[in-house]
Amino acid sequence: DAGVTQSPTHLIKTRGQQVTLRCSPKSGHDTVSWYQQALGQGPQFIFQYYEEEERQRGNFPDRFSGHQFPNYSSELNVNALLLGDSALYLCASSQFYEQFFGPGTRLTVL
Amino acid sequence: DAKTTQPNSMESNEEEPVHLPCNHSTISGTDYIHWYRQLPSQGPEYVIHGLTSNVNNRMASLAIAEDRKSSTLILHRATLRDAAVYYCILRDAINTDKLIFGTGTRLQVFP
Repeated sequence: DAGVTQSPTHLIKTRGQQVTLRCSPKSGHDTVSWYQQALGQGPQFIFQYYEEEERQRGNFPDRFSGHQFPNYSSELNVNALLLGDSALYLCASSQFYEQFFGPGTRLTVL
Repeated sequence: DAKTTQPNSMESNEEEPVHLPCNHSTISGTDYIHWYRQLPSQGPEYVIHGLTSNVNNRMASLAIAEDRKSSTLILHRATLRDAAVYYCILRDAINTDKLIFGTGTRLQVFP
C-alpha cells in the first residue's frame, strides 16, 4: 500500500498565477481533506471531499477550490495566488476516525 | 471549534518517560481527544485518541482527566525518533473528519 501520495513535491509560482495540486488517497479511503500549513504553524483545514462533493469547508476564500474524481483522488486549485499562499499543502485521506496524511506539496509564491 | 492549549516546547532524555499535557476546558460531551504528531519534513500522523477512559496502544498512552478538561499523552520510553511536534485536537463526534490543529508542543529528545 503506497499510502497517501501528493504531487508535485515542490512548486514555485508568481503572484496572480493559478496552481493545481494533486492527491491520491490511501487504498480504500473515500474521503479526502486538504490542509494548509504555514511555516511554524499547525495545519489549517481548507475543505473535505466525499463522494465527489465538498462536504465541509474551513475559513478560506473562494480562490481555493477543489475536486474529487470517481477514483477518490483529488485536486486543490488556487487562483490569483498571493504571497501569503506560500505554505505546505497537505492532503489527508480517511475512512473512519484516523486521518492519513501525505508528505505535502511545498508551494512558494514569489 | 473547541480549543486546546499546549506548552510550546518540552525536552526529554532518551529512554525516559515523557508526559505531554493538554488543556481543553471548553470540551463538549461529544468531543473526542485526538493526538497527532508531525516528524520533521513529514505530514502529521495519528498517535491515539479517546473519549473518557484512559487508552493505550503500541505508540503511547492517553490519560484523560475525570472532568475531561485536560489530558496527557504519555510516551513510556522516548527515543530519538519521537522528536516531533505533538498536536492535541478535539474532534467533534458528529463532524468526524475535520481536524482543528493548534500550534502543538515541540518535543526534543536528547541522547
